[in-house]
Amino acid sequence: DAGVIQSPRHEVTEMGQEVTLRCKPISGHDYLFWYRQTMMRGLELLIYFNNNVPIDDSGMPEDRFSAKMPNASFSNLKIQPSEPRDSAVYFCASSRGTPYSNQPQHFGDGTRLSIL
Amino acid sequence: SQQGEEDPQALSIQEGENATMNCSYKTSINNLQWYRQNSGRGLVHLILIRSNEREKHSGRLRVTLDTSKKSSSLLITASRAADTASYFCATVQTGANNLFFGTGTRLTVIP
Repeated sequence: DAGVIQSPRHEVTEMGQEVTLRCKPISGHDYLFWYRQTMMRGLELLIYFNNNVPIDDSGMPEDRFSAKMPNASFSNLKIQPSEPRDSAVYFCASSRGTPYSNQPQHFGDGTRLSIL
Repeated sequence: SQQGEEDPQALSIQEGENATMNCSYKTSINNLQWYRQNSGRGLVHLILIRSNEREKHSGRLRVTLDTSKKSSSLLITASRAADTASYFCATVQTGANNLFFGTGTRLTVIP
């Protein structure tokens, strides 16, 4: 089975530009999670979906951030407009069932985002 | 905010030695999971221990859980250079449906 696939692996863009991060979860997984990792704040959950529906977006930092999951095979995370403090590594993870039901999460290799 | 705190923040050992990492958390949990992250890569799930379990083994990994002390430990026996990575504990709080990750322990195994 292919793992979680994220693109691009690296993104460098200028402040104010729109950024789109993409994720393809593992086939058959019904939960998808977006995380952000920084040295200062560690790994933070931004939003998660169940069967393509957003369940909890309380971790999304601001209205500049939005995430969609139009189908079971794809999700994207957009930042518009981007700011230097958005620089981080963004991870997507998927799972068959929830962490509460003792299911592990499978992570992609992340997108390293740098906003100049 | 993060739920767990790992200790130590960094650990350096010789190949063949055992490595022990500790995790403390703040609230009651449903389960606790350990993940490994190699440099520049995503997290990889290692082992899950339920709140009603006290010890679990998987290969060279041994995890303990003490819910009265709100702590867990991960032991890697007979370490190898390939074990060099960051290790994170993640908790699922009672009634919650997501993971809260700790701050991580950076393990370096010297060949």
